[in-house]
Amino acid sequence: DAGITQSPRHKVTETGTPVTLRCHQTENHRYMYWYRQDPGHGLRLIHYSYGVKDTDKGEVSDGYSVSRSKTEDFLLTLESATSSQTSVYFCAMGGQIYEQYFGPGTRLTVT
Amino acid sequence: QKEVEQDPGPLSVPEGAIVSLNCTYSNSAFQYFMWYRQYSRKGPELLMYTYSSGNKEDGRFTAQVDKSSKYISLFIRDSQPSDSATYLCAMSVQNTGNQFYFGTGTSLTVIP
Repeated sequence: DAGITQSPRHKVTETGTPVTLRCHQTENHRYMYWYRQDPGHGLRLIHYSYGVKDTDKGEVSDGYSVSRSKTEDFLLTLESATSSQTSVYFCAMGGQIYEQYFGPGTRLTVT
Repeated sequence: QKEVEQDPGPLSVPEGAIVSLNCTYSNSAFQYFMWYRQYSRKGPELLMYTYSSGNKEDGRFTAQVDKSSKYISLFIRDSQPSDSATYLCAMSVQNTGNQFYFGTGTSLTVIP
C-alpha cells in the first residue's frame, strides 16, 4: 500500500540460511509490526516496534529477530531458516490505537 | 481459547444480498474494533473502526459492536462481486505497542 513497502516480495531460501526482510515506510509512523499469515492461523504478531531501537516480542517470536535503527525502516531476520517459517510475511505501520496499515507482503519459501 | 474467534466460512452470496460477518471475543478490555478486507495475494486494508459499543456506517458498510455480548458484526448492503475477499476483524487495547488481536478471517464470494 502507499506509504509502506516490503522487500523482497518473493524469496526462496534453503534451510539453515539467514534471511532478512525489509520494511520501509514514508509516513513517519511511530509503530511498526511484523506478522506472518498462515492458513488456519490468520495473522500472528512476530515482533513490533514502538520507536527507534525500541522493540518487543509478539506471539510467535522464536527464531526471529528485528531491528529498527531509523523511524522508516524495520528489519526482520530469520536467524537460521526452517521449513516451518515458510509463510507470507506482512509488515504494518501505525500511529493511533485503531490504525495499522499493511504492506504488500513477502512470500517466503524455505526448502 | 483464542481471544478473537471468527467463522472462516467460506460464505457465498448472490449479488445484491446483505452480508453479515461476525466475531466474538473474550477480553472485555478491548476498546477499539476494526474490520479489514484482504484481496487474494494482497495486504489487509483497513475498512473501518469503531470505538466501544454502537454502530458506525460508511457507505454500504455498517459496523456494530455489542460489548455486553462481546460480539461484533460487519454488514455489507447491496453486495457486489468486487466485495469478494477475506474479511478480518481486529481488536485493540491501550498498551505499549498498540497491538491488534486478529480473527482468522471469513472468506466471502459474491456471485454475479
